[in-house]
Amino acid sequence: DAKTTQPTSMDCAEGRAANLPCNHSTISGNEYVYWYRQIHSQGPQYIIHGLKNNETNEMASLIITEDRKSSTLILPHATLRDTAVYYCIVRDQTGANNLFFGTGTRLTVIP
Amino acid sequence: EAQVTQNPRYLITVTGKKLTVTCSQNMNHEYMSWYRQDPGLGLRQIYYSMNVEVTDKGDVPEGYKVSRKEKRNFPLILESPSPNQTSLYFCASSPRYPSYEQYFGPGTRLTVT
Repeated sequence: DAKTTQPTSMDCAEGRAANLPCNHSTISGNEYVYWYRQIHSQGPQYIIHGLKNNETNEMASLIITEDRKSSTLILPHATLRDTAVYYCIVRDQTGANNLFFGTGTRLTVIP
Repeated sequence: EAQVTQNPRYLITVTGKKLTVTCSQNMNHEYMSWYRQDPGLGLRQIYYSMNVEVTDKGDVPEGYKVSRKEKRNFPLILESPSPNQTSLYFCASSPRYPSYEQYFGPGTRLTVT
């Protein structure tokens, strides 16, 4: 599985867009990029996933670079409830049910 | 409401005393799994089940047992708990295998003294 690199922590002002980067330079062609988040000690929550095209849903947007070596999760209007640890995970489809959650990025939304 | 429930949410026990953590989902999902989360180690899969009566080991199965007699339930059994099993445990379910989306329970914080 491709290894991912995320910043340890980030701050974002409430109401602004939160842009969370993830590097996955060793990603292979059949591997997806998944994003989950975990609010303090709660179960992780699925956010979005993508293969090569940009994706958007009601929670967030996922921008994947053309070479697929990095991606950015965008929360368009961050709220205090978005304060959480965000995990970027790269895995092929057969491993989608066993995603390795590393240390992630701790996002703090500031009032 | 679609959800995964776990009980108990908090448990303090002593070494060697058998315990069971229950997990139940009301979404008719085929796939269920158990994870443990430890500081610095992330979430690691313990066991998983692709359907009723089908279970298999995950990445860290030692010291644990599971069963899947009904589709909705997937209990985690610690026959003889040890202090190194002190952890935060999560149950998760997915509609099928493979599935990009997993639904996690609220977690069970277990302390073994």
